[in-house]
Amino acid sequence: DVKVTQSSRYLVKRTGEKVFLECVQDMDHENMFWYRQDPGLGLRLIYFSYDVKMKEKGDIPEGYSVSREKKERFSLILESASTNQTSMYLCASRYRGQAYSYEQYFGPGTRLTVT
Amino acid sequence: GENVEQHPSTLSVQEGDSAVIKCTYSDSASNYFPWYKQELGKRPQLIIDIRSNVGEKKDQRIAVTLNKTAKHFSLHITETQPEDSAVYFCAASGEQGAQKLVFGQGTRLTINP
Repeated sequence: DVKVTQSSRYLVKRTGEKVFLECVQDMDHENMFWYRQDPGLGLRLIYFSYDVKMKEKGDIPEGYSVSREKKERFSLILESASTNQTSMYLCASRYRGQAYSYEQYFGPGTRLTVT
Repeated sequence: GENVEQHPSTLSVQEGDSAVIKCTYSDSASNYFPWYKQELGKRPQLIIDIRSNVGEKKDQRIAVTLNKTAKHFSLHITETQPEDSAVYFCAASGEQGAQKLVFGQGTRLTINP
């Protein structure tokens, strides 16, 4: 079974704090993704990575950065948390090659509250 | 870039009836269309997907249809059961083939006993 884990299920931070969200997958997937989930807006892509040290902006990258130093780990960083970043954050991973399934496997999510 | 619109946002059906959720996409180059189901408090999971060279795909009680000309695709659930209650998301591959997905806004499906 594919396993995608996230460092915290719930997190409460103060405005202006630096926040790290960690995601780890155990299936040797090349591609990893960070999404933000808000009611009525679906899943919106923040950043994705298709290899170690490689990253690309998604649809809503403002206020976020990412780090991928090891293949299995993809970190989302909020440099200076703001209240409008209160949300559910979901990590996902999948194989890069088209010979494989295109399925993205999701982590359990981190509900972040910024006060 | 790709834009995906999903309707309805909420859907309530009687147990045993059918449910249909519809999505439209904007990029005619999109070639992969998955559907994810997210039960309350759980992570999204893929339930069915279709590629642009196929018009319909079935898996037991669920089916997906694709109309490339009109750029829309639909999820059909027959003989609905209480365990079908969840939020359903459609998606389309945007840039870089199926590497990156653009998701719809989600549909909350409630099955009434």
